[in-house]
Amino acid sequence: AQSVAQPEDQVNVAEGNPLTVKCTYSVSGNPYLFWYVQYPNRGLQFLLKYITGDNLVKGSYGFEAEFNKSQTSFHLKKPSALVSDSALYFCAVRPEWGQNFVFGPGTRLSVLP
Amino acid sequence: EAQVTQNPRYLITVTGKKLTVTCSQNMNHEYMSWYRQDPGLGLRQIYYSMNVEVTDKGDVPEGYKVSRKEKRNFPLILESPSPNQTSLYFCASSVAVNTGELFFGEGSRLTVL
Repeated sequence: AQSVAQPEDQVNVAEGNPLTVKCTYSVSGNPYLFWYVQYPNRGLQFLLKYITGDNLVKGSYGFEAEFNKSQTSFHLKKPSALVSDSALYFCAVRPEWGQNFVFGPGTRLSVLP
Repeated sequence: EAQVTQNPRYLITVTGKKLTVTCSQNMNHEYMSWYRQDPGLGLRQIYYSMNVEVTDKGDVPEGYKVSRKEKRNFPLILESPSPNQTSLYFCASSVAVNTGELFFGEGSRLTVL
């Protein structure tokens, strides 16, 4: 069965510091991996995805994520956090041999001024 | 503008009074899905549809119905709502190939008294 774990419920970081939001997954076959962000009272917005190729993928708002096959991880990163990055972040996987997305529980990121 | 539109955005109803949450997408996506989001439980899939007239149960289908008579529409029906269906609901759509990302609606906050 497919699963996604986000080991931290909450991540706090000071503005200007680098941030990392962690994600690990379990899936059969090659995974297609996604990150979404949810601002208060809004739907989820797509940030970036890994399909194949370069392990470092770049996405919206200066975010990037690193795919590590051996560690089955797909951590979200940003070199310099902004207060406006404060939101709920979801990691998701879409299996190679299926259509359905499996979401992690979410990590709340707070960037402190 | 590419979008997924849900209505109503907010609804308060009473136990047993049938209601429908509509969802429409203008991207010609084959895949559509409904999720509910509850505190501490993340996103849970209710039903999904691979294409017109093809629907299937997700993780928490009890108490819900869906239909997919047209490609663009995927309504969620609560025949006899109960208080445990109080939640934030999201409709989402995607292309059929599993490298595609999900596009989300803005959400429908439902309260059942």
